[in-house]
Amino acid sequence: GAGVSQSPSNKVTEKGKDVELRCDPISGHTALYWYRQSLGQGLEFLIYFQGNSAPDKSGLPSDRFSAERTGGSVSTLTIQRTQQEDSAVYLCASSLRGQGYEQYFGPGTRLTVT
Amino acid sequence: AQKVTQAQTEISVVEKEDVTLDCVYETRDTTYYLFWYKQPPSGELVFLIRRNSFDEQNEISGRYSWNFQKSTSSFNFTITASQVVDSAVYFCALSENQAGTALIFGKGTTLSVSS
Repeated sequence: GAGVSQSPSNKVTEKGKDVELRCDPISGHTALYWYRQSLGQGLEFLIYFQGNSAPDKSGLPSDRFSAERTGGSVSTLTIQRTQQEDSAVYLCASSLRGQGYEQYFGPGTRLTVT
Repeated sequence: AQKVTQAQTEISVVEKEDVTLDCVYETRDTTYYLFWYKQPPSGELVFLIRRNSFDEQNEISGRYSWNFQKSTSSFNFTITASQVVDSAVYFCALSENQAGTALIFGKGTTLSVSS
């Protein structure tokens, strides 16, 4: 079956602009995660959605970052007023359930803020 | 405090050599989960294995094997008879029961296998 898909694959934006990154999880997976991978910080958790529960936003680095998940499926990560330190690969993952289940990752969106 | 430590930043081996990637974790939870992921040059993280804290049985899958030892808080990964296609960055990760389901990743070990 289809894996996790993300779009765009690459995004170049100017400092101060807003960007939206999209994630389509594996069909039937109730849990969805966003992570960020950068050279300096490694792989960092950002936010987690599980079914209709309130999302776990504990990893979001600032209030410029937000995410939503519509209809329990597609998710959008929004970064407002982008800064150069936001440059990274943003990874989306989904899992069948939450705790303890393996997470399957998408190919990522490489964000470059100039 | 770093919760997942992969002390080996880079390892280089020649094809057919065996190689072990070390992973040491830290948690106060009694229920937790450990994972290994592979990130080849293409960039996509590939799930390899999951272990829960109550299952210390070693696992073998083809040329891959994993050694989980709670006494030393380690979850090491061995590749037998390495191949060039094994060249990748390998990440060990921890999911703690009390902290939710987010994966806490180690910094990764870059494995280079030459022919």
